[in-house]
Amino acid sequence: GAVVSQHPSRVICKSGTSVKIECRSLDFQATTMFWYRQFPKQSLMLMATSNEGSKATYEQGVEKDKFLINHASLTLSTLTVTSAHPEDSSFYICSARTGGVQETQYFGPGTRLLVL
Amino acid sequence: GQNIDQPTEMTATEGAIVQINCTYQTSGFNGLFWYQQHAGEAPTFLSYNVLDGLEEKGRFSSFLSRSKGYSYLLLKELQMKDSASYLCAVMDSNYQLIWGAGTKLIIKP
Repeated sequence: GAVVSQHPSRVICKSGTSVKIECRSLDFQATTMFWYRQFPKQSLMLMATSNEGSKATYEQGVEKDKFLINHASLTLSTLTVTSAHPEDSSFYICSARTGGVQETQYFGPGTRLLVL
Repeated sequence: GQNIDQPTEMTATEGAIVQINCTYQTSGFNGLFWYQQHAGEAPTFLSYNVLDGLEEKGRFSSFLSRSKGYSYLLLKELQMKDSASYLCAVMDSNYQLIWGAGTKLIIKP
């Protein structure tokens, strides 16, 4: 089946640095990719929706200048957390949606970010 | 390899009970999650099981057997609003989520 990968799987960084997370659809072209944030045992919170070749659409309350999203190709989207702070520590999950009649959303394994 | 299996689609009647099964093979185990996802919305957390047994939460219950690599989500007194996709996900030894493809549940009046 379709696979979505994320890299890195976990990252520890110092406060004030920027961190880039990659999301790749490995065996299909994703017309749309989503970025979520999850706190322990809580629902996934949608941060933004990105379509290849266009600007991402951010959910209310998500700072677009802090969470930069680039959907460079139909198989790659990146999320950059700029000037990360400890409160940005979280589990970031991406998903990719196929196109066509049988639209399906596939989720990545997540990236655990810890900001010290 | 790591694998999560759940049925692609199920149909049930309003007011009835439905059980959605999930079997898994993963490298390590740090808990199993069930999520509900309505079309066009983000997945909503339903349950988390890390020990064997049944966890009941209102109309929804989730069961886990680690020795069998098996879980189920039980929905009682089905309502039309329960029509959604139900995602099973296992956290492996690296604390990575392995996702099932989701079960689309269709509720008929």
